[in-house]
Amino acid sequence: EVQLVESGGGPVKSGGSLRLSCAASGFTFSSFSMSWVRQVPGKGLEWVSSFSIGRNYIFYADSVKGRFTISRDNVKNSLYLQMNSLRPEDTAVYYCARDKGYAVAGTWYFDNWGQGTLVTVSS
Amino acid sequence: DIQMTQSPSSVSASVGDRVTITCRASQGISTWLAWYQQKPGKAPKLLIYAASSLQSGVPSRFSGSGSGTDFTLTITNLQPEDFATYYCQQANSLSRITFGQGTRLEIK
Repeated sequence: EVQLVESGGGPVKSGGSLRLSCAASGFTFSSFSMSWVRQVPGKGLEWVSSFSIGRNYIFYADSVKGRFTISRDNVKNSLYLQMNSLRPEDTAVYYCARDKGYAVAGTWYFDNWGQGTLVTVSS
Repeated sequence: DIQMTQSPSSVSASVGDRVTITCRASQGISTWLAWYQQKPGKAPKLLIYAASSLQSGVPSRFSGSGSGTDFTLTITNLQPEDFATYYCQQANSLSRITFGQGTRLEIK
């Protein structure tokens, strides 16, 4: 069974940093592109960042570019999101999501999601 | 960025009804579109990908259609467990994935 478990969320002050982790199990982690998607409570979904296994391409939403860094450790089967210079508008539940495509650069369809971890940035 | 606009924002329906939700892209995306279902407090669930392909394990009462800029998600014979919020998502732009604003399906 595919499992994605996020951790690392919590309260932080504006300008602070957090590192989110996503522990993956039940599939060959190194063969799937992975992404982070966030959701302000009660609002819609916003794509944050993706790590493609094809040539290790990395993509960011404009809203986080230069402040957030996505990375992965295929030995530890984990995805990470280093978040610096946090702003109140970064407050959201952050989901780790697996790409549907196996051993491809990325289909950008997300077929498995974690339960999410809440990040709360106060001013 | 490609903007995705869903309509309606909310819809009321009864068990057994047929419901259609539409999603319009601000530019052509071929069939690079997915639909997700999200229930309160839960992660989204992939229903449809590539505009019309049913994700494994999803009931056949869900179907998707469209290409280019206009897409639809149709749910026939609504079941109690289908009342949720639905999102479309474009996967055409490799570096700029975007979601629609969501459509809330409520019980009439």
